[in-house]
Amino acid sequence: NAGVMQNPRHLVRRRGQEARLRCSPMKGHSHVYWYRQLPEEGLKFMVYLQKENIIDESGMPKERFSAEFPKEGPSILRIQQVVRGDSAAYFCASSPLRTSGLETQYFGPGTRLLVL
Amino acid sequence: KQEVTQIPAALSVPEGENLVLNCSFTDSAIYNLQWFRQDPGKGLTSLLLIQSSQREQTSGRLNASLDKSSGRSTLYIAASQPGDSATYLCAVRFVRGQTGANNLFFGTGTRLTVIP
Repeated sequence: NAGVMQNPRHLVRRRGQEARLRCSPMKGHSHVYWYRQLPEEGLKFMVYLQKENIIDESGMPKERFSAEFPKEGPSILRIQQVVRGDSAAYFCASSPLRTSGLETQYFGPGTRLLVL
Repeated sequence: KQEVTQIPAALSVPEGENLVLNCSFTDSAIYNLQWFRQDPGKGLTSLLLIQSSQREQTSGRLNASLDKSSGRSTLYIAASQPGDSATYLCAVRFVRGQTGANNLFFGTGTRLTVIP
């Protein structure tokens, strides 16, 4: 049973370009979470999605960031017109169907975005 | 405001020593608390998950305790080994999360170095 997969593992973009980060949850998991880890900081929640639904995006920056989890395929975190401050490690986690908030989140290896 | 704090930020110990990592959180209304290990450039590995109704969890040389009323958790590592060198992260799922109860609040971690 493969774990949470993220690609690419490393991504380099120039300012103004778009970054697309992909996350495939564990088999059987229908919930996906995105977190961002800025240099020397802890992980911060960004968005929580189920298939075809954004459940909670209260941690997402208001502009340039969007996320989706289509019926088929991986979850995508999209950053438009990247700036240097977007350089960070972006982690995806997945969990099975919620049961009173007790489920464990399983994390992927992360995508390290570097904006030049 | 809900926050998770970890002390110390960094710790170096000689091989074979027992050690304790500390985590504190500002709101005692939690679903659970989770300890993770993060290796440089890698993702997060879940070590122990303690539900709010539990006082401790053990896995091998690791023991995590939870004192909800005081907002504290400790991770005890017995007979430390060089392979234990990593950053240890504490994460809490609050019942009344500012961004919903769906996400984890992370501390900034303790960077552990075990010297051979």
